Amino acid sequence: KAGVTQTPRYLIKTRGQQVTLSCSPISGHRSVSWYQQTPGQGLQFLFEYFSETQRNKGNFPGRFSGRQFSNSRSEMNVSTLELGDSALYLCASSLEPARIGETQYFGPGTRLLVL
Amino acid sequence: AQSVTQLDSHVSVSEGTPVLLRCNYSSSYSPSLFWYVQHPNKGLQLLLKYTSAATLVKGINGFEAEFKKSETSFHLTKPSAHMSDAAEYFCVGASGGYNKLIFGAGTRLAVHP
Repeated sequence: KAGVTQTPRYLIKTRGQQVTLSCSPISGHRSVSWYQQTPGQGLQFLFEYFSETQRNKGNFPGRFSGRQFSNSRSEMNVSTLELGDSALYLCASSLEPARIGETQYFGPGTRLLVL
Repeated sequence: AQSVTQLDSHVSVSEGTPVLLRCNYSSSYSPSLFWYVQHPNKGLQLLLKYTSAATLVKGINGFEAEFKKSETSFHLTKPSAHMSDAAEYFCVGASGGYNKLIFGAGTRLAVHP
């Protein structure tokens, strides 16, 4: 079974631009979560989607948004990019959300560099 | 609110010696706890998870962790380190009704020949 895939793997943008990242979960998984990883802040939860609905959101500004499609694929969008948005963005999928111990499986990430 | 604290940012061991990566958690109720590993330029891979079924949890690649409620700890151990174990390790918590994971700051493990 294929793992979580993320595209693109690397991205370079300039300040003020916007970017869209894509995540395809493991087949059969319906929950998708997004995380931001930076050297200074570590790994931080962005948001979680299940059945095309955002179920939970982390402490990020409104410039960060996402959506989920009927096939469970998810995209996240960052508008008006800032230098501090440079990070590794990780997507994780799980069978179901909201169950204690549900394992999340991570993709390889998209590394975004904002110049 | 739940939090996860990894007590060491860097650990260095010699190949063939035991590994101990320390993690403490705080939670107002019984948590789910995980250890993930991240190799350079790779995503996160699940090593093991605790969900209250058994306090000693065995994972992949010879790793195991013991949940100690009295000490609020979930330390990761391996009897004999291998060069391929060099990576960053994250202790992760999850609680409540959501899929939101709380990550520790990470411990970078170096393995020397």
